[in-house]
Amino acid sequence: GAVVSQHPSRVICKSGTSVKIECRSLDFQATTMFWYRQFPKQSLMLMATSNEGSKATYEQGVEKDKFLINHASLTLSTLTVTSAHPEDSSFYICSATPAGLNGGTDTQYFGPGTRLTVL
Amino acid sequence: SQQGEEDPQALSIQEGENATMNCSYKTSINNLQWYRQNSGRGLVHLILIRSNEREKHSGRLRVTLDTSKKSSSLLITASRAADTASYFCATVRSGGYNKLIFGAGTRLAVHP
Repeated sequence: GAVVSQHPSRVICKSGTSVKIECRSLDFQATTMFWYRQFPKQSLMLMATSNEGSKATYEQGVEKDKFLINHASLTLSTLTVTSAHPEDSSFYICSATPAGLNGGTDTQYFGPGTRLTVL
Repeated sequence: SQQGEEDPQALSIQEGENATMNCSYKTSINNLQWYRQNSGRGLVHLILIRSNEREKHSGRLRVTLDTSKKSSSLLITASRAADTASYFCATVRSGGYNKLIFGAGTRLAVHP
């Protein structure tokens, strides 16, 4: 089956630093990737849609300068949390849609998530 | 809120019993999907039901969809302790952008 990986799985950083999270589709090409955040015991909130070779589309209320997304290849999207603060501590999950499929009308494949803790 | 509602928020049952979780949503949809998440882990896709379908089965899972009521239910039969997890429904809006909107989730605990 299609596999999506995330790196790192867990990161702890100091307030004010920037953190990069990678999302990779391991055995398929993904034109579209999605980034979600999840607070403890809550649901997933879509942050942005990452399209290969173009700018990401952010959901209302998500700061694009705070959460930088780069989808430079068909197998890799990165999310950079800039100048992270304790309130950015969360579980960040990505998903990927195989190229040629209409993302959302078929199954999206989810990464295992990255737990970010900002001290 | 972009999210739909799920009930119950938490469900505690004994092994062997059936578990039913409900999901309601707000807009017309293309399809509805159910996912499972073990604590602190990623999501596992369980089942997808399209807007023109009313019921779907997969092993011990049964999903129904009522588009007139904008609601869906997930039934897990003969539950096992290993079914303990959070369960989320997610919808894809029809005629719009292809992205998943997740419900609030139900935390299921199955006791041996």
